[in-house]
Amino acid sequence: AQSVTQPDIHITVSEGASLELRCNYSYGATPYLFWYVQSPGQGLQLLLKYFSGDTLVQGIKGFEAEFKRSQSSFNLRKPSVHWSDAAEYFCAVGARGNTGKLIFGQGTTLQVKP
Amino acid sequence: DVKVTQSSRYLVKRTGEKVFLECVQDMDHENMFWYRQDPGLGLRLIYFSYDVKMKEKGDIPEGYSVSREKKERFSLILESASTNQTSMYLCASSLIREGETQYFGPGTRLLVL
Repeated sequence: AQSVTQPDIHITVSEGASLELRCNYSYGATPYLFWYVQSPGQGLQLLLKYFSGDTLVQGIKGFEAEFKRSQSSFNLRKPSVHWSDAAEYFCAVGARGNTGKLIFGQGTTLQVKP
Repeated sequence: DVKVTQSSRYLVKRTGEKVFLECVQDMDHENMFWYRQDPGLGLRLIYFSYDVKMKEKGDIPEGYSVSREKKERFSLILESASTNQTSMYLCASSLIREGETQYFGPGTRLLVL
């Protein structure tokens, strides 16, 4: 069965510092991988997704993520964090051949210090 | 522009009441989903539907039912609300292809007293 683990429940970074949010998945083949962001009181918005091909994926708002098959990971990165990036971030995995269902991780809350 | 709307942002209900949460999408998507979001637990799938009148149970269907009479509308029903159903409920929709993005509504925060 598929599963997703986000090891960090809460992360605090200073504005302007770099950011890396971790995501590990369990799946027998290469899955589809997603990162979503949820601002306070809002629904989820897609940041980026990995479908196939280039393992470094660029997303919106200056985010990128790298798929590493050997480590079963899909970590999200941003070189310089802005105060507006404070939000909750969810990693999700979808199976190949599936009809569109996703399994979500527990989420990581990002706090940005001025 | 893609849009998923939910009938209420906040709801307060009493234990034992029947509660209806409605979701509408304007993207002609086949798939629609209801999730429950609780701190530390992420999003858990309650039910999803891949076509009108079709539904499948997700991971936590107990205490919930759903209805999809029209393609654009997917309702979540709490037959007899209980305090442990106090939560944030999120609706999403997607095309019925593998790897498709799910688009989310703003959520309904339900408090059951």
